[in-house]
Amino acid sequence: KQEVTQIPAALSVPEGENLVLNCSFTDSAIYNLQWFRQDPGKGLTSLLLIQSSQREQTSGRLNASLDKSSGRSTLYIAASQPGDSATYLCAFMDSSYKLIFGSGTRLLVRP
Amino acid sequence: NAGVTQTPKFRVLKTGQSMTLLCAQDMNHEYMYWYRQDPGMGLRLIHYSVGEGTTAKGEVPDGYNVSRLKKQNFLLGLESAAPSQTSVYFCASGRDYEQYFGPGTRLTVT
Repeated sequence: KQEVTQIPAALSVPEGENLVLNCSFTDSAIYNLQWFRQDPGKGLTSLLLIQSSQREQTSGRLNASLDKSSGRSTLYIAASQPGDSATYLCAFMDSSYKLIFGSGTRLLVRP
Repeated sequence: NAGVTQTPKFRVLKTGQSMTLLCAQDMNHEYMYWYRQDPGMGLRLIHYSVGEGTTAKGEVPDGYNVSRLKKQNFLLGLESAAPSQTSVYFCASGRDYEQYFGPGTRLTVT
């Protein structure tokens, strides 16, 4: 059974820092990987999607990487801002198009 | 183009009551999903559908039923609500490799 672990569970950093969120998975037979952002009391916003054949994707200050051999993905946020404060969820899609989520990393960027 | 909408946004039920959550999408997607999210956890799949008239069980299906009579709608039913079903429920739709999420329904069972 695919299990997804996100470390750390919570993170507090001062504004301007570069930071890395980690996601690990147990089964390398994934279809793709997605990183989502969730604001308190809100739904999910898709940030980046990496197909299984890709190694990374970039959007603005965000960069996500995928290493299937080691069972890891990272989300890199450059020059963090208070507006980046949210919960970040990673999710893997299996071959039957079902998403398996991690429990998230709660990020606080202090002004 | 409204995307994925969910009705209602909030609901409080008493133990043993029943209700139906409605998910609607206007993107002509084949796949639709119902998830639940509990505090401090990620989303867990309850049921899903790969097309009109089809449904399948996800990770946590017990206590829920679903129906997909029309392609654009996916209904989630609770026949006899229990406090353990207090959660936030998210619906999603997609073609294959990407899912689009609704805003969620916050359900409290007392």
